[in-house]
Amino acid sequence: KAGVTQTPRYLIKTRGQQVTLSCSPISGHRSVSWYQQTPGQGLQFLFEYFSETQRNKGNFPGRFSGRQFSNSRSEMNVSTLELGDSALYLCASSVHGTGEETQYFGPGTRLLVL
Amino acid sequence: SQELEQSPQSLIVQEGKNLTINCTSSKTLYGLYWYKQKYGEGLIFLMMLQKGGEEKSHEKITAKLDEKKQQSSLHITASQPSHAGIYLCGADKGYSTLTFGKGTMLLVSP
Repeated sequence: KAGVTQTPRYLIKTRGQQVTLSCSPISGHRSVSWYQQTPGQGLQFLFEYFSETQRNKGNFPGRFSGRQFSNSRSEMNVSTLELGDSALYLCASSVHGTGEETQYFGPGTRLLVL
Repeated sequence: SQELEQSPQSLIVQEGKNLTINCTSSKTLYGLYWYKQKYGEGLIFLMMLQKGGEEKSHEKITAKLDEKKQQSSLHITASQPSHAGIYLCGADKGYSTLTFGKGTMLLVSP
């Protein structure tokens, strides 16, 4: 079974631009979670989607948004990029998103904002 | 909110030596995950612990969750260069939401 895939792997943007990142979960997984990883803050939860519905959201500004499609693929969007948005963005998938399941992570998208 | 504290922050061990990484929670743990990360890459799932007193092993890595479910330890026996990386513990908060510790960076010297 193919693992979680994320595209693109690397991205360079300038302040004020917007960016869209994509995540394809493991086949059969319906829950997709997004995380931001920075040296200062570590790994922080952004949001989680299950069956096209956002069930949980972390403490991030409204510039960060996401969605999930009927095939469980998910995208996250960051508008009006700031320098501090430079980070590794990771997505993870699980079957139902319950606490008894393992979340499998993708390789991440590294975003650099100049 | 729940916080996870990992110790040590980093360690260097000689190849062949044993080591232990600790993860302490400010609240009761209902699901504790251990992941390994190579710098700048995704997280590799190691183990998940749910029950107090539970212990799991995979190859040379053993993880335990204490009876009170507020601390977990990860023990590596006879470390190898392939064990080098960042070890992260994560606590389940429901709906596939994990809160993570800051990580422990492990270097294995030959």
